[in-house]
Amino acid sequence: GAVVSQHPSRVICKSGTSVKIECRSLDFQATTMFWYRQFPKQSLMLMATSNEGSKATYEQGVEKDKFLINHASLTLSTLTVTSAHPEDSSFYICSVNRPGIYGYTFGSGTRLTVV
Amino acid sequence: GENVEQHPSTLSVQEGDSAVIKCTYSDSASNYFPWYKQELGKGPQLIIDIRSNVGEKKDQRIAVTLNKTAKHFSLHITETQPEDSAVYFCAASRENSGGSNYKLTFGKGTLLTVNP
Repeated sequence: GAVVSQHPSRVICKSGTSVKIECRSLDFQATTMFWYRQFPKQSLMLMATSNEGSKATYEQGVEKDKFLINHASLTLSTLTVTSAHPEDSSFYICSVNRPGIYGYTFGSGTRLTVV
Repeated sequence: GENVEQHPSTLSVQEGDSAVIKCTYSDSASNYFPWYKQELGKGPQLIIDIRSNVGEKKDQRIAVTLNKTAKHFSLHITETQPEDSAVYFCAASRENSGGSNYKLTFGKGTLLTVNP
């Protein structure tokens, strides 16, 4: 399938600081990438759809000013958690879709812990 | 929007037995149904998928069946092994081969435990 690289795999930050997570599509030019959040023992919840060269589309209830998404190239999307709080601690996962070929491929995820 | 229900939430089987996980979906326009395996601390990994133009697909010990009329699809794992232990998610989407990207909606997951 498509190869998706996500970095970092783990990050610990202090309350009030910002954290950037990168998602790279290594073998496919992705005009769209997806960002998910997963709390312990729960399913993946779509946060936003990242669109290359334009604004991201956020799901209902997701604060766009808190979760900044930048998709500046066809191979890189970034998610920045701004002014992080302990309740933002979660597992964040990105995804790329190659319709009709490989379907949706997911990154390895980023474990964010806010202390 | 799409709603995907998944059952059971936990499933424990003996090594060598079969495991079946079932999902239903609500959007009749959904046409792509993948299954993912997620191990602790890792991202989901696609194990098998099915599109609405077929009713069954098999890949070694794993098979998926789809009933479009009833809007349900199932994952079948035969001859289970301890390494099959993980959380399994079903999902549904409207896939457009022309390039548009529709959302993937997940079920709540099934924790499968295969006892040696």
